[in-house]
Amino acid sequence: ETGVTQSPTHLIKTRGQQVTLRCSSQSGHNTVSWYQQALGQGPQFIFQYYREEENGRGNFPPRFSGLQFPNYSSELNVNALELDDSALYLCASSLGQGYSPLHFGNGTRLTVT
Amino acid sequence: AQSVTQPDIHITVSEGASLELRCNYSYGATPYLFWYVQSPGQGLQLLLKYFSGDTLVQGIKGFEAEFKRSQSSFNLRKPSVHWSDAAEYFCAVGAEAGNMLTFGGGTRLMVKP
Repeated sequence: ETGVTQSPTHLIKTRGQQVTLRCSSQSGHNTVSWYQQALGQGPQFIFQYYREEENGRGNFPPRFSGLQFPNYSSELNVNALELDDSALYLCASSLGQGYSPLHFGNGTRLTVT
Repeated sequence: AQSVTQPDIHITVSEGASLELRCNYSYGATPYLFWYVQSPGQGLQLLLKYFSGDTLVQGIKGFEAEFKRSQSSFNLRKPSVHWSDAAEYFCAVGAEAGNMLTFGGGTRLMVKP
């Protein structure tokens, strides 16, 4: 089975720009979650999508938005980038809405200058 | 709101020695608890989880953890550490619905030969 893949692996953007990060779920998984991991910190929950609808959101501003597609792949979009948005962005897929194991990708390292 | 504290930022142990990583949580209901490991440049891998039942749970790679409700703790243990265990370890608690996890700040484990 194919695991969770994220693209790109690294990205450098300028403050004020917009960025789109992509995630392909593990085969058979219909739920995708996104986490932000700043350097030296634990991951923070951004939001979760189940069957193309957002069904949970952490303490992140509206300039963080997402999409889930019919094939359950997902995008994370961040508008008006700020320096503090520099982080590792992790995508995780799982099955259903209950407690099923999260399968994480290796992340996208975003640097905002 | 739930929270997780990992009091030890760094821990160094000798190869073959025993290991205990501490985790304290704050959560209003019965917690769903997890330990994840992250190697450099990698995503997170689930070591073990506690949902209910036996308070001592076994995980992969020889790890175990014990849930102590009276102490609000979920400490991770391993009887004999291998050099390949050097990584960052994260404790997490699950939200009331779904897999929206709150992570601790992590403990970086270094293993001396």
